[in-house]
Amino acid sequence: AQSVTQLDSHVSVSEGTPVLLRCNYSSSYSPSLFWYVQHPNKGLQLLLKYTSAATLVKGINGFEAEFKKSETSFHLTKPSAHMSDAAEYFCVVYSGYNKLIFGAGTRLAVHP
Amino acid sequence: SQTIHQWPATLVQPVGSPLSLECTVEGTSNPNLYWYRQAAGRGLQLLFYSVGIGQISSEVPQNLSASRPQDRQFILSSKKLLLSDSGFYLCAWRTGHPEGTDTQYFGPGTRLTVL
Repeated sequence: AQSVTQLDSHVSVSEGTPVLLRCNYSSSYSPSLFWYVQHPNKGLQLLLKYTSAATLVKGINGFEAEFKKSETSFHLTKPSAHMSDAAEYFCVVYSGYNKLIFGAGTRLAVHP
Repeated sequence: SQTIHQWPATLVQPVGSPLSLECTVEGTSNPNLYWYRQAAGRGLQLLFYSVGIGQISSEVPQNLSASRPQDRQFILSSKKLLLSDSGFYLCAWRTGHPEGTDTQYFGPGTRLTVL
């Protein structure tokens, strides 16, 4: 069965410093993996998606994620945080049955 | 391009009252449609999904029901709301084409408060 684990419930960074949001997955086959972002009282917006074409996936707003099969990880990174990046981030895996499986979420705070 | 709408944006209802939330999708045909709930401080819980008109799959036994009267319309209902029904309700769609992407696209959500 597929699952995802987001290793940090809260991450706090200063503006201009790097962002690292960690996600480990479990899958019996090559997974489809996603990162979504949710700003307060908003819907979820797709940041990026991994589909086995390339292990380093570039997304919107300067985010990228690297798929590491040996570590079963799909961590989200950004070189320099902006105040507007403050939001909740979800790591997601496709279950294979028309459904997505969501991680518990990581709340990112960005301080001036 | 495709767009997804939800209304109302916010709703405050008394316990025991009925509920109807609506979701519509434009720019695509025969989509898969989903209802999720996000309770305060918790992740997303899949409530229902539909692969076609009149076809509803329920994920969690509860006080809610869903219907799909038209191809691009998905409705979430309750006959009598409970306090525990409070939360942020999200509708999502993905292409129904078998060869299509498994990516889901989300609406703006409805904030429901049951008092």
